Amino acid sequence: AQSVTQLGSHVSVSEGALVLLRCNYSSSVPPYLFWYVQYPNQGLQLLLKYTSAATLVKGINGFEAEFKKSETSFHLTKPSAHMSDAAEYFCAVSESGGSYIPTFGRGTSLIVHP
Amino acid sequence: DAMVIQNPRYQVTQFGKPVTLSCSQTLNHNVMYWYQQKSSQAPKLLFHYYDKDFNNEADTPDNFQSRRPNTSFCFLDIRSPGLGDAAMYLCATSGRGQEETQYFGPGTRLLVL
Repeated sequence: AQSVTQLGSHVSVSEGALVLLRCNYSSSVPPYLFWYVQYPNQGLQLLLKYTSAATLVKGINGFEAEFKKSETSFHLTKPSAHMSDAAEYFCAVSESGGSYIPTFGRGTSLIVHP
Repeated sequence: DAMVIQNPRYQVTQFGKPVTLSCSQTLNHNVMYWYQQKSSQAPKLLFHYYDKDFNNEADTPDNFQSRRPNTSFCFLDIRSPGLGDAAMYLCATSGRGQEETQYFGPGTRLLVL
């Protein structure tokens, strides 16, 4: 069965600092991995996804994530945080050959300080 | 632009008074989902449709029902809302495939008085 663990319910960074949001997955088959962002009082929006092509995936708003099979990780990074990046971030996984319904992590709230 | 629309954005209802939330999509996706999201939590899947096939999650209360009269529209009916049903309700759509992106509407925030 697939599962996702997001380490840290809150991450706080200063504006201009590196953003690192951690996601580890569990899957018995090759996974598809997603990062979604949710701004206050809005729905979720796809940032990027891994679908077994390049292991380094670039997304919107300067975010990227690297799929590391050996570490079962798909951490989200951004070199320089902006105040507008403050939001809730969700990692999700689905399995090739399995259900098309993704399993979401519990989310990480990114706080950006001036 | 193709999108997922939810109405209303905010809904206030009284304890026990039925309420219906609506969702429409212009993406022509086969799959439509309803999620419940409480504060600082991940979305919790209530049910989903693949075309007209209805799939209920095992732990979704009977108080929650859904209808999908056509490809574009889907409704969430809460028959007798309780205080614990106050939440954000998110509608999402996708194609049918494990690699498919889910497209979310802006949500309806339900308040139960």
